[in-house]
Amino acid sequence: DAGITQSPRYKITETGRQVTLMCHQTWSHSYMFWYRQDLGHGLRLIYYSAAADITDKGEVPDGYVVSRSKTENFPLTLESATRSQTSVYFCASNEDNTYNEQFFGPGTRLTVL
Amino acid sequence: DQQVKQNSPSLSVQEGRISILNCDYTNSMFDYFLWYKKYPAEGPTFLISISSIKDKNEDGRFTVFLNKSAKHLSLHIVPSQPGDSAVYFCAATPLKGAQKLVFGQGTRLTINP
Repeated sequence: DAGITQSPRYKITETGRQVTLMCHQTWSHSYMFWYRQDLGHGLRLIYYSAAADITDKGEVPDGYVVSRSKTENFPLTLESATRSQTSVYFCASNEDNTYNEQFFGPGTRLTVL
Repeated sequence: DQQVKQNSPSLSVQEGRISILNCDYTNSMFDYFLWYKKYPAEGPTFLISISSIKDKNEDGRFTVFLNKSAKHLSLHIVPSQPGDSAVYFCAATPLKGAQKLVFGQGTRLTINP
């Protein structure tokens, strides 16, 4: 199906475990983003990518790792999950040189126990 | 340091009336502003945007107003409908096409029948 998808939709893990959240888009958009949504903070940018093999930090990158070997995929890894990383994670994408309109995935709700 | 602020966490409006959602920003470099709408268990979807060269942009029932001197923007929905019940996020960026967005905390709008 066309669009942007995230998997898993829900994940429960334990402190110290590694977790990878997947994001896949079928539009061949250049830019991809990872946000976390927390009450009182809105959406905060974790990492973004301008193209394959080009990534950069956002506002809250600590504790997260990203990669982008293919244009359509942008996985987010929590190398050693902490309780403070319990959140809803959204992936987004948009074309280069557009009006900043980002298209969001449905989100992954992550709980770290 | 919250550069984009939505000071009302929630708003309740009667069906058919006008809904006004407010957003303030502190960074004078912000030049382009967007509103997103989010339903539960879904990703945010783009609603409407405005460039700093304008003070108003209208799309059907939705109008965004920008007051640059006050660093304030507002989203007007008229008439409000039950399907408008959602969380609304405003976002800002220093340059159209700069890709990185800074989001506010969100306002939960409830339309009462």
